[in-house]
Amino acid sequence: DSGVTQTPKHLITATGQRVTLRCSPRSGDLSVYWYQQSLDQGLQFLIQYYNGEERAKGNILERFSAQQFPDLHSELNLSSLELGDSALYFCASSPRGGTGGEETQYFGPGTRLLVL
Amino acid sequence: GENVEQHPSTLSVQEGDSAVIKCTYSDSASNYFPWYKQELGKGPQLIIDIRSNVGEKKDQRIAVTLNKTAKHFSLHITETQPEDSAVYFCAAGDTGRRALTFGSGTRLQVQP
Repeated sequence: DSGVTQTPKHLITATGQRVTLRCSPRSGDLSVYWYQQSLDQGLQFLIQYYNGEERAKGNILERFSAQQFPDLHSELNLSSLELGDSALYFCASSPRGGTGGEETQYFGPGTRLLVL
Repeated sequence: GENVEQHPSTLSVQEGDSAVIKCTYSDSASNYFPWYKQELGKGPQLIIDIRSNVGEKKDQRIAVTLNKTAKHFSLHITETQPEDSAVYFCAAGDTGRRALTFGSGTRLQVQP
């Protein structure tokens, strides 16, 4: 158990809908990262937040957005969903994330999203 | 940006044999190289990592080697057990980039 929690575990929805995925980082960690894992794309970095502020963006679509709240939990919002958005979405956290790329990241169990 | 290539994509070994997974990276600025194990239905779990000031690191049956000149690093698992069966991912990170770049994964199957 990494200490990172994600809800819900599974999500089934229809095209065009909007969903929110939630992540709570390990106690004391300030940074949260979101990754998407699909069968043909591997683990792709979406976005990072550090202490409430956006720190880095990866391959995140404009239909997707995220935020980190004062209690450091984070939410990933996916809107106008398409079939191709079906994937596993992982949240990871790290203690500082000031640099991020050289800091150990601990992953949550993921949310499996299925868009029908 | 960084590009990490991982080989092989699948690996089948007999219980007790060794397994080696190799990764190459493109950005010479990368200085942090973690390995993650992902079991079915679970998130990636960090199993070992190495930083660029070290050439090799061991933790019981697991070892990682790094060759910065050639820009490649490898995961070595000795005395494999059925519970080692999983997908293994290498990754590369550095101070300038905010996130890890992952390899495409290796599915390891340990046959009892």
